[in-house]
Amino acid sequence: AQKITQTQPGMFVQEKEAVTLDCTYDTSDPSYGLFWYKQPSSGEMIFLIYQGSYDQQNATEGRYSLNFQKARKSANLVISASQLGDSAMYFCAMREWGRDDKIIFGKGTRLHILP
Amino acid sequence: NAGVTQTPKFQVLKTGQSMTLQCAQDMNHEYMSWYRQDPGMGLRLIHYSVGAGITDQGEVPNGYNVSRSTTEDFPLRLLSAAPSQTSVYFCASSYAGTAEAEKLFFGSGTQLSVL
Repeated sequence: AQKITQTQPGMFVQEKEAVTLDCTYDTSDPSYGLFWYKQPSSGEMIFLIYQGSYDQQNATEGRYSLNFQKARKSANLVISASQLGDSAMYFCAMREWGRDDKIIFGKGTRLHILP
Repeated sequence: NAGVTQTPKFQVLKTGQSMTLQCAQDMNHEYMSWYRQDPGMGLRLIHYSVGAGITDQGEVPNGYNVSRSTTEDFPLRLLSAAPSQTSVYFCASSYAGTAEAEKLFFGSGTQLSVL
C-alpha cells in the first residue's frame, strides 16, 4: 500500500547549519515520484523539489537536495546553509504513476531555525 | 495566470448545514484533488480526479462528495457538516501521467469551522 512516513515531528537547528529532514515511503509500484513541499506560517504550499524513481541522480534545486536511497525507500530532504526563513512545516509526498496516480502526503516536520 | 483558485477563504457552518467548496484551475490539468489539513495529521487526500467524468476516493472520503463535469472545475460538497470536518481544505492540480507532472499546484486554502 502507498505510504509516506515522516518520523520527526519537530526539529531545532542553528542558523547556517545543514538540515536533513527524513522521509521513508512504501510502494510496490516501480514507477513513482517523490515531492517535498514547504508550508510557512502564511499557510501557502510551496513546491521545493521532485525525484522520479527512475532518475539516476539525486535531485537538486538551489540549497535543496533530495537524498534518494531507493533500496532503503528513503527520500530525505537536505537543506544546506539554513536560514531563518527556512523555519516552516515541511511535507514529503509520493505519487504512484503506474496505479491510480493519486498523491499522498506525510504528516510533516516542523523546522525551527535558531539565530 | 490565475493558477488554482479556491473559494471561499473562510467559512463558518452550523452542524447539519451543507455547502460547496469551489476549485477552478486554468492550466488544463487533468489531475485535481482535495486535501484536508489537521494539526499533527499532515495533508490527507479526500477525493481526486484524473479527468472530466472520473473521480475516485482518497484516504478520508466519508462525508464529502465531488464531481468533475469539466476539466477546469472540481467542487467539494459537504452534504451535512459535522464538527469533525472543521479543518483547512486545499485544492491542488497537476498534469497526469507525464514528465510534466512533477509539480502539484495548490490553491490558497479554505479555513472551515463547523459549530
